[in-house]
Amino acid sequence: ETGVTQSPTHLIKTRGQQVTLRCSSQSGHNTVSWYQQALGQGPQFIFQYYREEENGRGNFPPRFSGLQFPNYSSELNVNALELDDSALYLCASSGQGAGKFYEQYFGPGTRLTVT
Amino acid sequence: QQQVKQSPQSLIVQKGGIPIINCAYENTAFDYFPWYQQFPGKGPALLIAIRPDVSEKKEGRFTISFNKSAKQFSLHIMDSQPGDSATYFCAAQRGGSQGNLIFGKGTKLSVKP
Repeated sequence: ETGVTQSPTHLIKTRGQQVTLRCSSQSGHNTVSWYQQALGQGPQFIFQYYREEENGRGNFPPRFSGLQFPNYSSELNVNALELDDSALYLCASSGQGAGKFYEQYFGPGTRLTVT
Repeated sequence: QQQVKQSPQSLIVQKGGIPIINCAYENTAFDYFPWYQQFPGKGPALLIAIRPDVSEKKEGRFTISFNKSAKQFSLHIMDSQPGDSATYFCAAQRGGSQGNLIFGKGTKLSVKP
């Protein structure tokens, strides 16, 4: 059973640019959630995808968008990057079935630096 | 408004000690309370979790105590080891298909040899 994987590991972008981060969910999981973790803080929920549709969103502006593909992998896109977008971006996957969606397993994250 | 409050911010114990990390929540709709362990440069790893219908859960050296009436829960690490040195996050999640985790701010634990 493979765990959650994310790419790239690190990324440096300039303010105003756009970025795409990728996540492959754990085998057997059909729900992907994205979180932003600023330095020294707990992760904050961005949005969740279930069966290729957005299934809940946190307090993030529309320039944060996402996709989920038929194989349940997912992308996070951020447009018009701002300095405050510098953070560790985490993807978490969870399974189907009674109670399974509660257990969210995180990938290693993508460290985004905006200069 | 911080929905999950975690304390202390940092904690130093000697090897073999029992660090205790506390969390309090506000929303009574939360019905799942996990703890995550995060090492520097890594993603959070699910450690142990509890539902509000039980007051305690043990898994190996890790124990969650849950007080529904006080809306508080805590993590105890028995016989702590230097390898337990990490940042610990409590979280809460509301039931249903749109469940997302709401995290505390984390506790940095250091276990001295």
